[in-house]
Amino acid sequence: ILNVEQSPQSLHVQEGDSTNFTCSFPSSNFYALHWYRWETAKSPEALFVMTLNGDEKKKGRISATLNTKEGYSYLYIKGSQPEDSATYLCAYVTGGGNKLTFGTGTQLKVEL
Amino acid sequence: ETGVTQTPRHLVMGMTNKKSLKCEQHLGHNAMYWYKQSAKKPLELMFVYSLEERVENNSVPSRFSPECPNSSHLFLHLHTLQPEDSALYLCASSPGTPISYEQYFGPGTRLTVT
Repeated sequence: ILNVEQSPQSLHVQEGDSTNFTCSFPSSNFYALHWYRWETAKSPEALFVMTLNGDEKKKGRISATLNTKEGYSYLYIKGSQPEDSATYLCAYVTGGGNKLTFGTGTQLKVEL
Repeated sequence: ETGVTQTPRHLVMGMTNKKSLKCEQHLGHNAMYWYKQSAKKPLELMFVYSLEERVENNSVPSRFSPECPNSSHLFLHLHTLQPEDSALYLCASSPGTPISYEQYFGPGTRLTVT
């Protein structure tokens, strides 16, 4: 992996479903991984900053895990709600720690 | 409301014009960033300022010129742009390095170059 890759590109789920997305990143020279939520017509909003292998973070119904050795992070949403509809971005810290390199995001739509 | 404001929100300019984008953060942060979001592409870092010093310039064409007069304000001066520069330009700030700190984004300026 040379850049940040996110999958799937888009996802449609029903209200109440649980879902997860993947972020893959280069496993060498790891500093930190960020997750952001970007709702339409709003600013990207930070969810998590993760630095340690095996890290697990939680915010309400959203949680994330980190595996720095194999270069991936999972974002989980439990019991999806329509207000969870957004694009979820991950970003990998590079450039000696000054720079975020973003993936193209996973676009989630939660339907009633 | 993230505490980061950007003006204008929309801008249409010709290729020979000169314009500036303004970003202001009310959070007391030490670092500020300019990003470009083109259609179907990831958010792309353009410039990083830490304590008013430019610490990263991500191979951006010279027709984009940043200015950080103090830790609360960041400008992006635009001149002789090309149509492919049409994009959403986002400003962000953070308390410090992204190794430890999340970034707070403004609402963006939608730029159209005609």
